[in-house]
Amino acid sequence: SQTIHQWPATLVQPVGSPLSLECTVEGTSNPNLYWYRQAAGRGLQLLFYSVGIGQISSEVPQNLSASRPQDRQFILSSKKLLLSDSGFYLCASSQEWGLAGHSGANVLTFGAGSRLTVL
Amino acid sequence: DQQVKQNSPSLSVQEGRISILNCDYTNSMFDYFLWYKKYPAEGPTFLISISSIKDKNEDGRFTVFLNKSAKHLSLHIVPSQPGDSAVYFCAASPYSGAGSYQLTFGKGTKLSVIP
Repeated sequence: SQTIHQWPATLVQPVGSPLSLECTVEGTSNPNLYWYRQAAGRGLQLLFYSVGIGQISSEVPQNLSASRPQDRQFILSSKKLLLSDSGFYLCASSQEWGLAGHSGANVLTFGAGSRLTVL
Repeated sequence: DQQVKQNSPSLSVQEGRISILNCDYTNSMFDYFLWYKKYPAEGPTFLISISSIKDKNEDGRFTVFLNKSAKHLSLHIVPSQPGDSAVYFCAASPYSGAGSYQLTFGKGTKLSVIP
């Protein structure tokens, strides 16, 4: 089974400072990788996903960027943080075929999350 | 544009009773539906899923019902236990083959089970 390591768990950063959140995945190869954000009072918003090394798709225009330097490593970055970047960031992984038993649903496995507070 | 809607932000239920969490969707391309459970300061964990070719899927105390014509699904928890207190997210995905998959999530419903 997949295990997702995500760090740091908590981060307090001033406006205008850079950001780097890292995520590594164990127990699988060639996974699809995702960054989600849960902002206060909102659901889980997909920010980026990646189907392979160096392949990044962005879902929403924003102040953030993502990179995938290795098969099981996914990094979320920003050069200058905004107040609106505060939130709970979640890395997730899924198998290429995303099967969950008989239903065929795409089951994402999530990391424990990183709480970012921008002051 | 919220494609997956959970209109109840919170729900309180007595221990031992049934909890019913509702979810509506607007995208007719959605074929798979999932429920995730999330405790504070943790990542969501997968709970149960259902394909659009079925109208019910059961796993222990958890049952998901799908009404495709109404674009509505619900999660039933029977009997509810205090450990079920968490935020529950409904998620949906269109059918896809090889390649990337995306889940669209609702805003979540916070369930509180009162002992």
